[in-house]
Amino acid sequence: DTEVTQTPKHLVMGMTNKKSLKCEQHMGHRAMYWYKQKAKKPPELMFVYSYEKLSINESVPSRFSPECPNSSLLNLHLHALQPEDSALYLCASSQYPANTEAFFGQGTRLTVV
Amino acid sequence: KQEVTQIPAALSVPEGENLVLNCSFTDSAIYNLQWFRQDPGKGLTSLLLIQSSQREQTSGRLNASLDKSSGRSTLYIAASQPGDSATYLCAVSPLQGGSEKLVFGKGTKLTVNP
Repeated sequence: DTEVTQTPKHLVMGMTNKKSLKCEQHMGHRAMYWYKQKAKKPPELMFVYSYEKLSINESVPSRFSPECPNSSLLNLHLHALQPEDSALYLCASSQYPANTEAFFGQGTRLTVV
Repeated sequence: KQEVTQIPAALSVPEGENLVLNCSFTDSAIYNLQWFRQDPGKGLTSLLLIQSSQREQTSGRLNASLDKSSGRSTLYIAASQPGDSATYLCAVSPLQGGSEKLVFGKGTKLTVNP
């Protein structure tokens, strides 16, 4: 099973709302990632968790807060977002943080109104 | 800083044609190169992973090659089908500056016409 599951598939939220995106994998992968993708652009890395610890934060604004409760789960907590944060948010995982194949979920389409 | 370029940006071919997508990268110090497929509004599907020590990988009608010294990779699709229509992205995992990062090209949008 090479599946990364993301929920919800679509999310519409107001600028004062708090919401969370969820990601789950059961491949025993020890690295998990959040990417942001705007229309007609390649994915941009946001965060990397290696062995359940945050290893990379690509200078992402604090209104995005990642969390890795265990080795299978990755959350992205959202608060006070701006309309320009509307994008496709992709979760990915790989067996190890480096030099292994990355598997992506189907993404959450986020719209901030 | 590693940069990845994909040419062409868009390609339209008739069904049944063999085609080649190109990917180039500026720094040959990479762990691996990965090709992905993305359907509109969907996530990325991994197609092929080539380690830096390898020259090519094959999966079904797909063949990917890697020439690390020249900073080039190609994805060959044989006997194209309308279902192959999607955006194809290549990404490299750099040796330096954080190997956890994938550096993506902007993709090639492929349309296969019936």
